[in-house]
Amino acid sequence: SAVISQKPSRDICQRGTSLTIQCQVDSQVTMMFWYRQQPGQSLTLIATANQGSEATYESGFVIDKFPISRPNLTFSTLTVSNMSPEDSSIYLCSVEGIVTEAFFGQGTRLTVV
Amino acid sequence: AQKVTQAQTEISVVEKEDVTLDCVYETRDTTYYLFWYKQPPSGELVFLIRRNSFDEQNEISGRYSWNFQKSTSSFNFTITASQVVDSAVYFCALRSPTGGFKTIFGAGTRLFVKA
Repeated sequence: SAVISQKPSRDICQRGTSLTIQCQVDSQVTMMFWYRQQPGQSLTLIATANQGSEATYESGFVIDKFPISRPNLTFSTLTVSNMSPEDSSIYLCSVEGIVTEAFFGQGTRLTVV
Repeated sequence: AQKVTQAQTEISVVEKEDVTLDCVYETRDTTYYLFWYKQPPSGELVFLIRRNSFDEQNEISGRYSWNFQKSTSSFNFTITASQVVDSAVYFCALRSPTGGFKTIFGAGTRLFVKA
């Protein structure tokens, strides 16, 4: 299992600003992911955070809007850039093995006003 | 295409009733993995079960049970004698090679258990 610490747990931000979310894992992991969960919706994968290289983004998500860093095997950040009210969501990081379940951070509840 | 369908958007039951949450999946892979997660009102995601495609045994864990049927591509979840604390959103998920081993989540079923 893995223990994931994600912060901040929530934030209220002004439109046009950026927020960086941090995800710290208590052990070295290969596969880290970032998800978005819009209000009342399911989880949508934003990108795979690759250690030492650029993140792999899913369709509909771009690096300019959601830059991701992964400097080592235990830490990653997701930045939500130039925010608008439509970015109000819960953002979650996860670590997953191919055959194992996903372990999630507590989530960051973002409100953009 | 990889897909998970949870047709029940919301279910409301009275405490002590049994309730079944449906999950139908689509994949052409012969090896794949299915999961159920619980998301209580506090928002964190709690892992409930993992099942690989070669293990069709049904599983029981306390009041929870899961029925995996490859013939109908279903992986249903039953809560027996529901309790108020079971109120949450439940997600079924699929992971398979064709999907790059990325987890695909269903839309979720919101369960309300009334006292």
